[in-house]
Amino acid sequence: DAGITQSPRYKITETGRQVTLMCHQTWSHSYMFWYRQDLGHGLRLIYYSAAADITDKGEVPDGYVVSRSKTENFPLTLESATRSQTSVYFCASNTGAEAFFGQGTRLTVV
Amino acid sequence: AQSVTQPDIHITVSEGASLELRCNYSYGATPYLFWYVQSPGQGLQLLLKYFSGDTLVQGIKGFEAEIKRSQSSFNLRKPSVHWSDAAEYFCAVGSGANFGNEKLTFGTGTRLTIIP
Repeated sequence: DAGITQSPRYKITETGRQVTLMCHQTWSHSYMFWYRQDLGHGLRLIYYSAAADITDKGEVPDGYVVSRSKTENFPLTLESATRSQTSVYFCASNTGAEAFFGQGTRLTVV
Repeated sequence: AQSVTQPDIHITVSEGASLELRCNYSYGATPYLFWYVQSPGQGLQLLLKYFSGDTLVQGIKGFEAEIKRSQSSFNLRKPSVHWSDAAEYFCAVGSGANFGNEKLTFGTGTRLTIIP
């Protein structure tokens, strides 16, 4: 199926553990983004990528790492998870006129 | 820096009534403006966008929005809401640096509840 998929949909992890959230798109859009959604804050940009091997920080990048070795994949890694990183994470890709969002990953850090 | 304000956290509307969700933006140049809708447990779906031209833009599901530059507003409207419109609505502004491939700045969202 064409689209943008995130995995896992739900994840519980312990403080201090490394966790990777996956994002895959089938369109070959150049731009991809990672947002986190928290009550009272809306969506905030963590990292974005303009193309394979090109990434840049967004508004709230601390504690996160991204890579993009292939155009279609844009994984987000929490190097050492903290409770403040409990959130819903959305991946998106952009056609140039519209952003398409995945269904989100709900991450709980205990 | 660009910013978006959605002053209403939660709005309740009767089914069949009209709707207006408020959005105020701050941006130095011509803004690229968007409205997205998020149903529970889902990602965001684009309702409509403004890049240039007519101040009134039409979107999907019967929604429209009007940009008023003098007020820096981009309010979302619908003449008659349906129970299926219950969702979270986000206004967003983009810089337009690459005609849409820009980073979007989102408002904090407005939750819409529909009562019978």
